[in-house]
Amino acid sequence: TQLLEQSPQFLSIQEGENLTVYCNSSSVFSSLQWYRQEPGEGPVLLVTVVTGGEVKKLKRLTFQFGDARKDSSLHITAAQPGDTGLYLCAGPPDGNQFYFGTGTSLTVIP
Amino acid sequence: DSGVTQTPKHLITATGQRVTLRCSPRSGDLSVYWYQQSLDQGLQFLIQYYNGEERAKGNILERFSAQQFPDLHSELNLSSLELGDSALYFCASNPGGAGIYNEQFFGPGTRLTVL
Repeated sequence: TQLLEQSPQFLSIQEGENLTVYCNSSSVFSSLQWYRQEPGEGPVLLVTVVTGGEVKKLKRLTFQFGDARKDSSLHITAAQPGDTGLYLCAGPPDGNQFYFGTGTSLTVIP
Repeated sequence: DSGVTQTPKHLITATGQRVTLRCSPRSGDLSVYWYQQSLDQGLQFLIQYYNGEERAKGNILERFSAQQFPDLHSELNLSSLELGDSALYFCASNPGGAGIYNEQFFGPGTRLTVL
């Protein structure tokens, strides 16, 4: 069992559609990060959320941290082919180890 | 370009062998992290070093070891290799210290294939 479960695992949508990716855990996290990884490259940080209930917007991407700090979501509005990639949530539940989520592979079809 | 370099980019070896993966962190970063990424296990944290000292340990096998040198580069040693060790190995770095879970900057990875 993974500490951070993401859903869906795979997502294939048409350009212009909206989508939401979820990251859930039974543990409380002091902070959560979202990364995007493109094929053949390492993950790149998109955002860090720290406060329960926090909402952060990055252009067409909206990130939310759950009130109890056990879950997070990523919403993409009007998806574009450039959004294609593997989306990973990550965080330290106990300050000693960093966990990455199971990942959501997004494909945006032109 | 994150500023983190990893060598080699690809490595093909046989079961039972030993390999060393190398990572140079971004200039000024004191903290280095090692991760293993495979299709069935996702991205797994292996170990973290800060300024030459081990800071945190994850799911690192006893056959694996790492160290960080005085010039802050790090090496991950994998021995008695098994087929299941085939994976992408990433190194990441950040300044470390207070707020140690700030953004991590990832290198391009080393793809290890064990035949």
